[in-house]
Amino acid sequence: ETGVTQTPRHLVMGMTNKKSLKCEQHLGHNAMYWYKQSAKKPLELMFVYNFKEQTENNSVPSRFSPECPNSSHLFLHLHTLQPEDSALYLCASSQDRVEITGELFFGEGSRLTVL
Amino acid sequence: AQSVSQHNHHVILSEAASLELGCNYSYGGTVNLFWYVQYPGQHLQLLLKYFSGDPLVKGIKGFEAEFIKSKFSFNLRKPSVQWSDTAEYFCAARMDSSYKLIFGSGTRLLVRP
Repeated sequence: ETGVTQTPRHLVMGMTNKKSLKCEQHLGHNAMYWYKQSAKKPLELMFVYNFKEQTENNSVPSRFSPECPNSSHLFLHLHTLQPEDSALYLCASSQDRVEITGELFFGEGSRLTVL
Repeated sequence: AQSVSQHNHHVILSEAASLELGCNYSYGGTVNLFWYVQYPGQHLQLLLKYFSGDPLVKGIKGFEAEFIKSKFSFNLRKPSVQWSDTAEYFCAARMDSSYKLIFGSGTRLLVRP
């Protein structure tokens, strides 16, 4: 049990669909992150939220829209995705911003397939 | 550009063999370095980290890593691997005051019984 729960674990969607990924952390952390993990590529940081405020958008296309209603929940809203967006999307949290502790706690990921 | 390189994408070892996975980063300033591990079907978890002090860092499950500043390296080692060490290993770095963790592309380790 990682303390970071992601749903759904698997998602298949068409390019015109709208769907959302959900992340919930039970660790009392203040920072949450979305990473994209594609085959044979390094993990790519997408978004960072610290105390519910977005502090980083790593040049992510607008078809990905994050939402952080509170420090425990993080969403990634998906709209008109492309097949190349198929990947494992990882949510992570940290006690404070990563420059203090360095340690991220990851969820098991949501495997997204775009047809 | 700041980056982290892992040169071995796949490593196959027999049990009891010694392991060394390479990691290099490209940045001349202050770095914090990490190794994460992802066992099959599980989440990424921290194996060890270096912030400052002794450049030889010991982590969980008998792993250690050595920070060599002159070589911009942070190689992961284990003297005797076990079948249960089969996993994907990711090196990561936080460079200077950035809050970003930059990850390498990972090394898949297969340990044969």
